[in-house]
Amino acid sequence: AQTVTQSQPEMSVQEAETVTLSCTYDTSESDYYLFWYKQPPSRQMILVIRQEAYKQQNATENRFSVNFQKAAKSFSLKISDSQLGDAAMYFCALIEAGGGADGLTFGKGTHLIIQP
Amino acid sequence: ETGVTQTPRHLVMGMTNKKSLKCEQHLGHNAMYWYKQSAKKPLELMFVYSLEERVENNSVPSRFSPECPNSSHLFLHLHTLQPEDSALYLCASSQLINSPLHFGNGTRLTVT
Repeated sequence: AQTVTQSQPEMSVQEAETVTLSCTYDTSESDYYLFWYKQPPSRQMILVIRQEAYKQQNATENRFSVNFQKAAKSFSLKISDSQLGDAAMYFCALIEAGGGADGLTFGKGTHLIIQP
Repeated sequence: ETGVTQTPRHLVMGMTNKKSLKCEQHLGHNAMYWYKQSAKKPLELMFVYSLEERVENNSVPSRFSPECPNSSHLFLHLHTLQPEDSALYLCASSQLINSPLHFGNGTRLTVT
């Protein structure tokens, strides 16, 4: 079974600063996908960024980038130039390439606070 | 407009009631999901439908009954729920089983 661990229940960052959210995972598969989702107070889960495990290059999406360390099974999210609208719960998630019996597995989430 | 619409947004029901949650997706996706989000717990996958066929049922109690009449609609029928079933129920859809999920805003369910 696959697992996803987010060890930071809460993180705080000053507006315009950079913050990194940690995520580690475990899977027996070699081909899988990793995601970061954002859940603002509106409750809707929004895809932030996606990484294919077979790609060595770290995914980037505007101010959001990941540090994917496959050997270490680590998938951290870096948010640059933090904005007030970035305040939300952030969930790391994994799914095996074939879908897998467990589907998409989520971590418990990290609550990100942006201080003005 | 999120592309995935859930109704109602909030629901309060007694343990003897029967109610249904509705999810509709306008994205042309082939897979739909029900997730349960409880406080301080990871999202729990409840049901997965691919091309209107159930492909996953993660040992969910029978008091939760899903229905997928077509690729755009997904229901979760509820009956004789327990207070511990109070949670946010999120519907999602994706193009394929391993594609990124698009979520609705969820239904906040309170069982009294």
